[in-house]
Amino acid sequence: EAGVAQSPRYKIIEKRQSVAFWCNPISGHATLYWYQQILGQGPKLLIQFQNNGVVDDSQLPKDRFSAERLKGVDSTLKIQPAKLEDSAVYLCASSLATFVGTEKKLFFGSGTQLSVL
Amino acid sequence: AQKITQTQPGMFVQEKEAVTLDCTYDTSDPSYGLFWYKQPSSGEMIFLIYQGSYDQQNATEGRYSLNFQKARKSANLVISASQLGDSAMYFCAMRDNYGQNFVFGPGTRLSVLP
Repeated sequence: EAGVAQSPRYKIIEKRQSVAFWCNPISGHATLYWYQQILGQGPKLLIQFQNNGVVDDSQLPKDRFSAERLKGVDSTLKIQPAKLEDSAVYLCASSLATFVGTEKKLFFGSGTQLSVL
Repeated sequence: AQKITQTQPGMFVQEKEAVTLDCTYDTSDPSYGLFWYKQPSSGEMIFLIYQGSYDQQNATEGRYSLNFQKARKSANLVISASQLGDSAMYFCAMRDNYGQNFVFGPGTRLSVLP
């Protein structure tokens, strides 16, 4: 079974530039999550999708971050413009659960390490 | 809002001994799920164990067990017979049964000594 795919693996940009990350969840997984993990901290949820609808985006900085999950499959997370404090690993995860609140396991991708200079 | 506390930034354990990693949580929801994940230096997040708030028995997965004390709002991870490969960051996480607020704690770095 293929896992959660993320690309790119690494990205270095200058502040005020834009960047996009891509995630393809495990086939059939209805729920998709984007997390931001700053060095030395636990992952912080940015946005959660159920199919192609947003369940929770309360911690997404909407003035600069955006995410979409067209057709309920793969997803893109964009930062525009980037700030120095956006330097982090961006993790994508997916869950088989078809009903929100029944997840018993999240499957994570390898993450994208973003450095903003 | 839900919150996860892991009070041990770092822990050391001798190989083959058991170790307990602490996790306390705060929620007003009666129904929720608790998780533990392992993150080695490679960065991948590895699922270890899950406990539902209404589960009658403590969850176990091989060498991992979850000591769930609902009244104290604690969900400690017990690793038996530690191995060198257990050296990693360990994160406790929780979600409510509306699926929202899937939050992670700050993590505990475990080092297994030979």
